Amino acid sequence: DGGITQSPKYLFRKEGQNVTLSCEQNLNHDAMYWYRQDPGQGLRLIYYSQIVNDFQKGDIAEGYSVSREKKESFPLTVTSAQKNPTAFYLCASRQDRGGNQPQHFGDGTRLSIL
Amino acid sequence: GESVGLHLPTLSVQEGDNSIINCAYSNSASDYFIWYKQESGKGPQFIIDIRSNMDKRQGQRVTVLLNKTVKHLSLQIAATQPGDSAVYFCAERGSGGNTPLVFGKGTRLSVIA
Repeated sequence: DGGITQSPKYLFRKEGQNVTLSCEQNLNHDAMYWYRQDPGQGLRLIYYSQIVNDFQKGDIAEGYSVSREKKESFPLTVTSAQKNPTAFYLCASRQDRGGNQPQHFGDGTRLSIL
Repeated sequence: GESVGLHLPTLSVQEGDNSIINCAYSNSASDYFIWYKQESGKGPQFIIDIRSNMDKRQGQRVTVLLNKTVKHLSLQIAATQPGDSAVYFCAERGSGGNTPLVFGKGTRLSVIA
């Protein structure tokens, strides 16, 4: 079954700890994205990658890092520098052929502070 | 339960009635628009999209209308069902195929049985 898999579904972080959220897609999509969702707000873009070994900062990249070593994987690390990490994190992918294709989303990871 | 959408605008609709969800977008150069549906605890699900060279597009029970003059997008759901209860987001993309989507804040649709 093709799709986007995010893991874990729930994650807890201790003070001063880095945590990594996994995102894997088997859709053969070129572009991948990470969003943060807070109550009462829309999705805010953290990082995105249009091709392997390349990525760009989104609107709220501070305190986060990513890598894109493989086409199907785009892990997000929430570092200790992110002082308010509690949120719902969504990964998305898109077939990037320069035309109009929608992004497809995983089912998210909810990160909380211990 | 999910805390997403605690302070979102809410639309309450009787089952079987039509729903209209509105969205004002910000960028007059945006050339592609999408509506997503998000159920509690899940990621957004694609509903329908429209390009800027169109003003209307229909899907199964849904219609999207685009008014570029006033930068307004709407989603119409015919014969609303309890399963339509969710948060609905509009998203726009600035001109250029690789520009990331920008999402609106969302509207919660509550269907009254």
